[in-house]
Amino acid sequence: DVKVTQSSRYLVKRTGEKVFLECVQDMDHENMFWYRQDPGLGLRLIYFSYDVKMKEKGDIPEGYSVSREKKERFSLILESASTNQTSMYLCASSTTGGLSYEQYFGPGTRLTVT
Amino acid sequence: QQQVKQSPQSLIVQKGGISIINCAYENTAFDYFPWYQQFPGKGPALLIAIRPDVSEKKEGRFTISFNKSAKQFSLHIMDSQPGDSATYFCAASMTQTGANNLFFGTGTRLTVIP
Repeated sequence: DVKVTQSSRYLVKRTGEKVFLECVQDMDHENMFWYRQDPGLGLRLIYFSYDVKMKEKGDIPEGYSVSREKKERFSLILESASTNQTSMYLCASSTTGGLSYEQYFGPGTRLTVT
Repeated sequence: QQQVKQSPQSLIVQKGGISIINCAYENTAFDYFPWYQQFPGKGPALLIAIRPDVSEKKEGRFTISFNKSAKQFSLHIMDSQPGDSATYFCAASMTQTGANNLFFGTGTRLTVIP
């Protein structure tokens, strides 16, 4: 069973704080993704990575950065949290090649910035 | 801009009825169209997916209908059950790019009334 875990289910931070969201997958997947989910907007891709130390911007990278030092771990960093970054953050992973393009999601981290 | 447009935003169906959710896209390079199901407090999970070389795919009570010329696809849930109450997301991907990024619709919250 594929498992994607996220370090926190709920997080409350103050404006201006540096925030780290951690994601770990146990299926040796090459690809990892960070999304944010907001009502009425669906899931929007922030960053993705298709290999260790590689990263690509998604649709809404502004205000975020990422780190992938190990294959199984993908971190999302909010350099200086702002109230408009209050959201649900979802991590996902997938493999490359084969017939399956399924992305496996973690349970999400609900971040509140006050 | 939203690459995949989804409607309706919310849907209420009686138990035993048919639930229909519609999606449309513009980019003809999309070649993989999955539907994800998300229950409260959980991450989305793949429900069913289709490639554009077929017009319909059925898995149990869930059917995707695909209209390539109209660039539309829909999810039909037959004999809807209260346990189907969830948020449904359509998505599209260009699998040739390798990282299989998904472009998600805005989601439909389905409520099945007993």
